[in-house]
Amino acid sequence: NAGVTQTPKFRVLKTGQSMTLLCAQDMNHEYMYWYRQDPGMGLRLIHYSVGEGTTAKGEVPDGYNVSRLKKQNFLLGLESAAPSQTSVYFCASRQRLSTDTQYFGPGTRLTVL
Amino acid sequence: EDKVVQSPLSLVVHEGDTVTLNCSYEVTNFRSLLWYKQEKKAPTFLFMLTSSGIEKKSGRLSSILDKKELFSILNITATQTGDSAVYLCAVYAGNNRKLIWGLGTSLAVNP
Repeated sequence: NAGVTQTPKFRVLKTGQSMTLLCAQDMNHEYMYWYRQDPGMGLRLIHYSVGEGTTAKGEVPDGYNVSRLKKQNFLLGLESAAPSQTSVYFCASRQRLSTDTQYFGPGTRLTVL
Repeated sequence: EDKVVQSPLSLVVHEGDTVTLNCSYEVTNFRSLLWYKQEKKAPTFLFMLTSSGIEKKSGRLSSILDKKELFSILNITATQTGDSAVYLCAVYAGNNRKLIWGLGTSLAVNP
């Protein structure tokens, strides 16, 4: 039981490049979340999903897209990376409403030059 | 606007000290409050509180919620250097789908 995993762990991009971050969970959780964490800003929600095939915007969705084609995977895409997207990205998952605990992946450190 | 405020923002103590971290909230339709610990990696879950006055305890850590005064405290007794971390407070409110996060309290425990 690996819990929540994220790929890759580190990445450096040039401005304008695109990439996809993968989040996978093996706990059969319904809800999945993408956050970014920046110094002094705390955890900010980018997008989230309440089930396979559904996504919704969070607090800071601009410049990102997501997809949840399979229940266990939640993808975060950057179509045209900008230096302002340099951050640590965390994925989290949660069982549907029976418990409020969100379980986090190890994070992806992204640098955009 | 829903918000969660933690205080202090940072704290430095010596091993063996007892610390109290504060979390206050203003949200619509409160459901639950969660505490997480974050070292140099992902946040890890500590406690979830839903009812006033009931203390949750795990070893040297304990937490309690006051729904009337809209706050929670996290206590750490006999602190150790391994307690050094950022402690995050977050609240579920409204439709219960998203957590509202505080900025965290950075705790440093010196030997």
